Amino acid sequence: SQQGEEDPQALSIQEGENATMNCSYKTSINNLQWYRQNSGRGLVHLILIRSNEREKHSGRLRVTLDTSKKSSSLLITASRAADTASYFCATVITGANSKLTFGKGITLSVRP
Amino acid sequence: DTAVSQTPKYLVTQMGNDKSIKCEQNLGHDTMYWYKQDSKKFLKIMFSYNNKELIINETVPNRFSPKSPDKAHLNLHINSLELGDSAVYFCASSQRTSAYNEQFFGPGTRLTVL
Repeated sequence: SQQGEEDPQALSIQEGENATMNCSYKTSINNLQWYRQNSGRGLVHLILIRSNEREKHSGRLRVTLDTSKKSSSLLITASRAADTASYFCATVITGANSKLTFGKGITLSVRP
Repeated sequence: DTAVSQTPKYLVTQMGNDKSIKCEQNLGHDTMYWYKQDSKKFLKIMFSYNNKELIINETVPNRFSPKSPDKAHLNLHINSLELGDSAVYFCASSQRTSAYNEQFFGPGTRLTVL
């Protein structure tokens, strides 16, 4: 069964605004990763947060992880039109080695 | 320089045919994967190889057979293609079979079965 569920399914914002995307999962995880997929392209890794970490930053990206609520959020600050893409959270379940289980993804549209 | 490459990019074929998709990575990674992304963008792992050895084999019909001639290549052969096989297939690689390694994805192969 699917591990990650992103929310919302689609998000449309104005350039310059912040975008917040949420992901919930069901079982104990080793780490959680966020990936971006531009239309017609492969996935690109954005950030990995380990189960013992609560927050991580990378440029304009900020990821939080709440293992008690089994949820994560991805914040993109000062969004740009180039951020338009689908965003996926993926979990590595404890003991599952390198197997990534993906959510359905969030479609982000940033209007210029 | 393309890190993970797949050929072909598009594949249109008739039901019942046999086809192959090739994948190569020049990152020096030990582990390679095949994923299937359906029309709703849901991405699911199919197989994973580490140094030519199969380590993940999800519940995939045995019409799908991965082959890894060396650690830089992981090909996917599909026999007796069915309509439901239509999807985008992604190859990926990572440095090691470790929970903490990011995966690098290829551009995808869009398979359409008529």
